[in-house]
Amino acid sequence: AQTVTQSQPEMSVQEAETVTLSCTYDTSESDYYLFWYKQPPSRQMILVIRQEAYKQQNATENRFSVNFQKAAKSFSLKISDSQLGDAAMYFCAYRSAWVQGGSEKLVFGKGTKLTVNP
Amino acid sequence: DAGVIQSPRHEVTEMGQEVTLRCKPISGHDYLFWYRQTMMRGLELLIYFNNNVPIDDSGMPEDRFSAKMPNASFSTLKIQPSEPRDSAVYFCASSPWKGAGYTFGSGTRLTVV
Repeated sequence: AQTVTQSQPEMSVQEAETVTLSCTYDTSESDYYLFWYKQPPSRQMILVIRQEAYKQQNATENRFSVNFQKAAKSFSLKISDSQLGDAAMYFCAYRSAWVQGGSEKLVFGKGTKLTVNP
Repeated sequence: DAGVIQSPRHEVTEMGQEVTLRCKPISGHDYLFWYRQTMMRGLELLIYFNNNVPIDDSGMPEDRFSAKMPNASFSTLKIQPSEPRDSAVYFCASSPWKGAGYTFGSGTRLTVV
């Protein structure tokens, strides 16, 4: 079974600075998808960024980018020019891409609480 | 697109009562998921459907929990009888195809007293 580990329960960053959230995962599959979700105090789960494992190029979405290291099974999220609205819980998640089998479920890490200081 | 719609947003009920949570997925999404979120256990998959058919219900805690998807636009999660340990936020999410990210509803916060 796949597992996702977020080793930083809490992180803080100054407004306008850059912060990196760590995520590692364990899988025997070669093809899969990785995601970062944001959960602000409103509790809404918001998709931040998605990475396909067969793509070597790191995904980017505006101020959000990832560092995907497939061999190391590492998938970190970098937030540039941090804003107060970035304060939230951030969850890393894994989803199998196995066509004939594999579960469709997203496997989530425990989350990292990000605080943005003005 | 109104997104995934869940109701109610909050539910407070007494132990032993039946609770029904409702979800309307995004039109055209083939997959529907029910997750539970607690501080202790994080986000746990309860059950998911593909084209209205339950595929994996291994996360359903026990027989007190049941889920249905009578059509492509509606699903329910029922707890009968409810217990205090069922208190959690319950999320419904839908997804258009394998590998796509989920779109989550705003969740139902259930409190069983």
